[in-house]
Amino acid sequence: KAGVTQTPRYLIKTRGQQVTLSCSPISGHRSVSWYQQTPGQGLQFLFEYFSETQRNKGNFPGRFSGRQFSNSRSEMNVSTLELGDSALYLCASSFTGAAEAFFGQGTRLTVV
Amino acid sequence: AQSVTQLDSQVPVFEEAPVELRCNYSSSVSVYLFWYVQYPNQGLQLLLKYLSGSTLVKGINGFEAEFNKSQTSFHLRKPSVHISDTAEYFCAVSSSGNTGKLIFGQGTTLQVKP
Repeated sequence: KAGVTQTPRYLIKTRGQQVTLSCSPISGHRSVSWYQQTPGQGLQFLFEYFSETQRNKGNFPGRFSGRQFSNSRSEMNVSTLELGDSALYLCASSFTGAAEAFFGQGTRLTVV
Repeated sequence: AQSVTQLDSQVPVFEEAPVELRCNYSSSVSVYLFWYVQYPNQGLQLLLKYLSGSTLVKGINGFEAEFNKSQTSFHLRKPSVHISDTAEYFCAVSSSGNTGKLIFGQGTTLQVKP
């Protein structure tokens, strides 16, 4: 079956702009989690959505937001981009939680 | 709060030698433990996981790990590494409830030399 699909794979944005990243989970999965990966901070949890509701949230500013649709696809939005938002953004999907999570290939965001 | 410490940032090893990547965790609740591998410009691939039961867990590509509750450790081992094992390895923990939240260590770069 198809894996977790993240689009786009690469993105270049200008400081101050906003960006939307998309994650299509494995069919039947209801949980989608988002992570930010940077060389300095490593892999950090952003938030998790389960059946269209935010179930967990990490320690990121309000500029980072997300949502999940009825088909379990999820989007994350970053407003007023800063240079420090340059990172690999990964999403993971699972049926119920981390015990069976599968990761997508990631979206590489570069803010210039 | 949960945390994960990977004790080595880089581990160089010669091909066909054994390797151990060390991971300690901290948690006040029951946990699940994971090891993931990441190749350049790729996502994370699950190597193995401990949910419950036997403390020795076998994973893909010949890797195994042992859960040690008293030492709060979950070290990853492979008896004989290949050049293709060169990658970054991440240890992660989640609480054992219904949550998708994973807490990751800082990663260990495994460099396999010919």
